[in-house]
Amino acid sequence: GNSVTQMEGPVTLSEEAFLTINCTYTATGYPSLFWYVQYPGEGLQLLLKATKADDKGSNKGFEATYRKETTSFHLEKGSVQVSDSAVYFCALSPQSSNTGKLIFGQGTTLQVKP
Amino acid sequence: EPEVTQTPSHQVTQMGQEVILRCVPISNHLYFYWYRQILGQKVEFLVSFYNNEISEKSEIFDDQFSVERPDGSNFTLKIRSTKLEDSAMYFCASTRGADGYTFGSGTRLTVV
Repeated sequence: GNSVTQMEGPVTLSEEAFLTINCTYTATGYPSLFWYVQYPGEGLQLLLKATKADDKGSNKGFEATYRKETTSFHLEKGSVQVSDSAVYFCALSPQSSNTGKLIFGQGTTLQVKP
Repeated sequence: EPEVTQTPSHQVTQMGQEVILRCVPISNHLYFYWYRQILGQKVEFLVSFYNNEISEKSEIFDDQFSVERPDGSNFTLKIRSTKLEDSAMYFCASTRGADGYTFGSGTRLTVV
């Protein structure tokens, strides 16, 4: 079946540190991959996405590359800020269309300290 | 920027009571969804809705659940007889397909 696995949190970093949050997936066919972010008290916001192998999604300094050979979509940022503190969710949509359901990982909490 | 609006933000209900969670999707979106997140667990898909009918539902979405688009703007999730295990954050989402999904801020349902 389809599933998403994220690294356990919380991840605690100092400001300006390098961030990696690992995400691997299991899927049949050619899924689309997403990272969503949830700030305290808010809903899920799309951070970035990639729809085919080797695509790189990027937004607000965050990047993730769709690696079909390793079934991974790791989230990276070169220099985190306190304002990046949030819960990050990796997700996939089993079909390559943009209207199928999303399957989420368990979420990784990031805490950035000044 | 257009938003998906969910009301109420927090609802407390007694076990066995019916509850209706409300969502106003973005006006030009055609596909609507409900997800839930039990505290500390994954966000789980419940149901998708397109062209006034359910297009897909999960095993969680049993006969106790129903969805409706009663007018041109609202999209509701009804739980007929709530159980303690229905306590969760419920998220509504919508999309028109090209730009990704937009989620609401969620309704925290507490069943006591």
